[in-house]
Amino acid sequence: GAGVSQTPSNKVTEKGKYVELRCDPISGHTALYWYRQSLGQGPEFLIYFQGTGAADDSGLPNDRFFAVRPEGSVSTLKIQRTERGDSAVYLCASSASPPETQYFGPGTRLLVL
Amino acid sequence: AQSVAQPEDQVNVAEGNPLTVKCTYSVSGNPYLFWYVQYPNRGLQFLLKYITGDNLVKGSYGFEAEFNKSQTSFHLKKPSALVSDSALYFCAVREGSSASKIIFGSGTRLSIRP
Repeated sequence: GAGVSQTPSNKVTEKGKYVELRCDPISGHTALYWYRQSLGQGPEFLIYFQGTGAADDSGLPNDRFFAVRPEGSVSTLKIQRTERGDSAVYLCASSASPPETQYFGPGTRLLVL
Repeated sequence: AQSVAQPEDQVNVAEGNPLTVKCTYSVSGNPYLFWYVQYPNRGLQFLLKYITGDNLVKGSYGFEAEFNKSQTSFHLKKPSALVSDSALYFCAVREGSSASKIIFGSGTRLSIRP
């Protein structure tokens, strides 16, 4: 069956630009999570959706980061005025219902020049 | 606050030998513990989890992990290592059933030599 998919797989942008990263969860999974993984580190939690609403956005580093999930399926992570420090792999995960196992997508590698 | 420690950045083992990747955790409530594996340029793959019950948990690819409450540890083990087990391994913890986010350790690179 289809797993979690993320697009694009790679994104190169310039400092100050706006980017959108997309996540398509496993069909039927109600919970969706975004994490950020910097080089040599473990993933860090950003935000968690249960259905359409953000149940926990405590990991978003600042107000340049925003995520939506308008229909309770696909989610988009939006980063405004990108900075070089935003360069990382952005991982998306989904689960059938919390706190079940989270299944991860392949990630989007973001490089801000 | 919940936290996870993986004290070894790298573990080197000869093929066919047993392997152990260490993990200790800190939570204020009941821990939900996970191991994930990451191959180069791939996402995280779920290996196994401990929720409750038997302290020895069996997972994918012949891996198992032992939950030790008194030592707050959840070490990953495999009786006989394969070269294909070489990858980056992450231990993770969630605090109880109502929490959402998973806290990951910094990862341990496992290298199996032929």
